[in-house]
Amino acid sequence: GQSLEQPSEVTAVEGAIVQINCTYQTSGFYGLSWYQQHDGGAPTFLSYNALDGLEETGRFSSFLSRSDSYGYLLLQELQMKDSASYFCAVRDDQAGTALIFGKGTTLSVSS
Amino acid sequence: DAGVTQSPTHLIKTRGQQVTLRCSPISGHKSVSWYQQVLGQGPQFIFQYYEKEERGRGNFPDRFSARQFPNYSSELNVNALLLGDSALYLCASSLPGQGTYEQYFGPGTRLTVT
Repeated sequence: GQSLEQPSEVTAVEGAIVQINCTYQTSGFYGLSWYQQHDGGAPTFLSYNALDGLEETGRFSSFLSRSDSYGYLLLQELQMKDSASYFCAVRDDQAGTALIFGKGTTLSVSS
Repeated sequence: DAGVTQSPTHLIKTRGQQVTLRCSPISGHKSVSWYQQVLGQGPQFIFQYYEKEERGRGNFPDRFSARQFPNYSSELNVNALLLGDSALYLCASSLPGQGTYEQYFGPGTRLTVT
């Protein structure tokens, strides 16, 4: 089957850097995605890695190592508005292009 | 441009009843997926439709069904509701050929079963 593991909670202060790790098991790999979800809101796409290495988008970066079945999301210059849940996701091999999500990491940013 | 829309926003039903949730994808998006999100968990895949055909189904009982209309909107039906069906139901759409990495989610329908 397919599964993803990520820490349940992470805390940090404004201006800091935080890394959210994700390890995955999947029979066929098509890339690792990251989504952000604020309380009561819709998940929104943050980044996608299909190949090994680092992808940078503003304050957020995402890394992938396919040989280690591992990736991480790096958030820099943290702001209070970054407090949210972050999910890693892979494609569901049995279901077209649908996604399998991890359980999510709740990030709390304090001042 | 309008994003993915879902209706209703909130819904309260009693055990044994049936419910229909609706979703309109972003204009031009032909693929619609449904997810169930229980509090404290990640979204769990229920169905995917593309060009009005079912392309995938998650591990959900037959009480769950869905369909996609010619205008690419979609409905999710749940029969014989159980307390455990209480969750946020999310609809997501994506562009054809975009692959799976970017799905656009609607605000969800919060279903409470009492």
